[in-house]
Amino acid sequence: DQQVKQNSPSLSVQEGRISILNCDYTNSMFDYFLWYKKYPAEGPTFLISISSIKDKNEDGRFTVFLNKSAKHLSLHIVPSQPGDSAVYFCAASGNNDYKLSFGAGTTVTVRA
Amino acid sequence: KAGVTQTPRYLIKTRGQQVTLSCSPISGHRSVSWYQQTPGQGLQFLFEYFSETQRNKGNFPGRFSGRQFSNSRSEMNVSTLELGDSALYLCASSLGAAGEKLFFGSGTQLSVL
Repeated sequence: DQQVKQNSPSLSVQEGRISILNCDYTNSMFDYFLWYKKYPAEGPTFLISISSIKDKNEDGRFTVFLNKSAKHLSLHIVPSQPGDSAVYFCAASGNNDYKLSFGAGTTVTVRA
Repeated sequence: KAGVTQTPRYLIKTRGQQVTLSCSPISGHRSVSWYQQTPGQGLQFLFEYFSETQRNKGNFPGRFSGRQFSNSRSEMNVSTLELGDSALYLCASSLGAAGEKLFFGSGTQLSVL
């Protein structure tokens, strides 16, 4: 049962423009939401996170928005750079389950 | 600070064999988690250990097992390998609090022939 869904398998964006990645979840017990970035042949690296008590968190070019009522979160990357081309995973965790539930990932390609 | 180290990097086995993968966490991290990634799939949670105790386990058959040692290093074992076990196996470590970010290793790419 996929509790975290990324419905867009791929996204192509021009360098300098905004990338918007979306993620939906079904489990209302999730308290923490994280985004990871993954290059081929490497492990995922942490990008940014947000807890359920907030609706926005910003770190440099990355901003995550959380809409709890819609069970939806999004990652905005502004401006997009060629080095941002990677697979992005959305993940979620409950307060006491000590695991991350991941979406299937979105492959972002930044065009020059 | 050294990152999460996984060995071996690549592994080729045949059906029916068993395999052991190793993970050394970041120094000071007491939690180690294991995930399986297959093409087109997200990362599927296998299990998590904290101070040698398994705190959570994913929906994988009993052929998949793990353990953690007193120095926080962890191993996972897969017995009676099947073709579908071919995947990238990722280990991650953290201090152990719920919801905190995980630091991942580069993974072990297992191919079952």
